[in-house]
Amino acid sequence: DAMVIQNPRYQVTQFGKPVTLSCSQTLNHNVMYWYQQKSSQAPKLLFHYYDKDFNNEADTPDNFQSRRPNTSFCFLDIRSPGLGDAAMYLCATSADWKSTDTQYFGPGTRLTVL
Amino acid sequence: AQTVTQSQPEMSVQEAETVTLSCTYDTSESNYYLFWYKQPPSRQMILVIRQEAYKQQNATENRFSVNFQKAAKSFSLKISDSQLGDTAMYFCAFSQGAQKLVFGQGTRLTINP
Repeated sequence: DAMVIQNPRYQVTQFGKPVTLSCSQTLNHNVMYWYQQKSSQAPKLLFHYYDKDFNNEADTPDNFQSRRPNTSFCFLDIRSPGLGDAAMYLCATSADWKSTDTQYFGPGTRLTVL
Repeated sequence: AQTVTQSQPEMSVQEAETVTLSCTYDTSESNYYLFWYKQPPSRQMILVIRQEAYKQQNATENRFSVNFQKAAKSFSLKISDSQLGDTAMYFCAFSQGAQKLVFGQGTRLTINP
């Protein structure tokens, strides 16, 4: 049973053309996260939502935005993708904001920028 | 800032062997959490095992166990009786109180038949 679903699995966009990545969850978790994982690198947290509260990491570029219209869905918007934004984007959820809460990851969306 | 270092970019062992993946971290805090995550090829990342720093006993989950050395800031993962399905990228991660995970660079583990 899929718990964290990401669509699409592969996304190709052109340099500067806005793109939106989607994440949905069936776990009814309070927290949703977006990570960027470049090739052969560790995942890096971009931001997270605790319920409707948005929390941006200090070094996340302004080019990256996020929306969470309801508990189940969260979107990652890249306003003007550059070649350096090509990466795997991982969505994750957790029941709450405690380290004892397991983060559940989606399969990721691989973004290619041409 | 906390950092996590995995010094073995790649490892390869034969099926049924035991393998140990290394992880060191740097923090000035005394209470924190450590994790090992597994990311199989083209599949989602899943939690393998978690260790709470204030617990002296090493965590164990079936064939997976850790060797947590708090003074040395070392957190290694031992996989016993390795299986083909253990082939994956393994990430060591650190969290201090809240859920912000800091990941190491990963170790690509291949189990050969």
